[in-house]
Amino acid sequence: EDKVVQSPLSLVVHEGDTVTLNCSYEVTNFRSLLWYKQEKKAPTFLFMLTSSGIEKKSGRLSSILDKKELFSILNITATQTGDSAVYLCAVVGDMRSSNTGKLIFGQGTTLQVKP
Amino acid sequence: EAGVAQSPRYKIIEKRQSVAFWCNPISGHATLYWYQQILGQGPKLLIQFQNNGVVDDSQLPKDRFSAERLKGVDSTLKIQPAKLEDSAVYLCASSLLHSYNSPLHFGNGTRLTVT
Repeated sequence: EDKVVQSPLSLVVHEGDTVTLNCSYEVTNFRSLLWYKQEKKAPTFLFMLTSSGIEKKSGRLSSILDKKELFSILNITATQTGDSAVYLCAVVGDMRSSNTGKLIFGQGTTLQVKP
Repeated sequence: EAGVAQSPRYKIIEKRQSVAFWCNPISGHATLYWYQQILGQGPKLLIQFQNNGVVDDSQLPKDRFSAERLKGVDSTLKIQPAKLEDSAVYLCASSLLHSYNSPLHFGNGTRLTVT
């Protein structure tokens, strides 16, 4: 059965700390892995990863994928209170019945950054 | 570009009542998704449309949930009759034709409380 597992489930840090969020997966015919940030409302897109070993970076956030070991990490450096959110990992695999992907989400990591 | 629009934002109903949610995807996005997100969990796919055809509804409780996407644009999701365990946020998302390479864009969701 396809699944995506994130760890830790929750994390509390202080401003300025660096955090690493983990996402491991098992999915039929992996296509891509996505990270989303969810505050009070809709998840907002952060990164899409398709190739191993190539780091994606946006400001203080970065992410990398390891397709051999089936996991990804999301790093946030110099954390700020505005980084407090749920971070969702999702994996796109093949859907047998069509040529479009099937997106499976992990349960999320809740990050709280204290001043 | 305008984002994914959903309504209503909140809905409170009693068990055994009916409810309907509406979603208008980003213009030009062929694929539309309905996700259920229970508090503390990641989003779970209920149904995925490509244009006006269903490509995956394997996790839709078909005895009480129904969805349609007439004319391949906006969509409605209905629950009839509602149960307490249906309390959740219902997220609509859309993407370009092939979700392999295009991230999902989410609406702000409808928070349903069943009492």
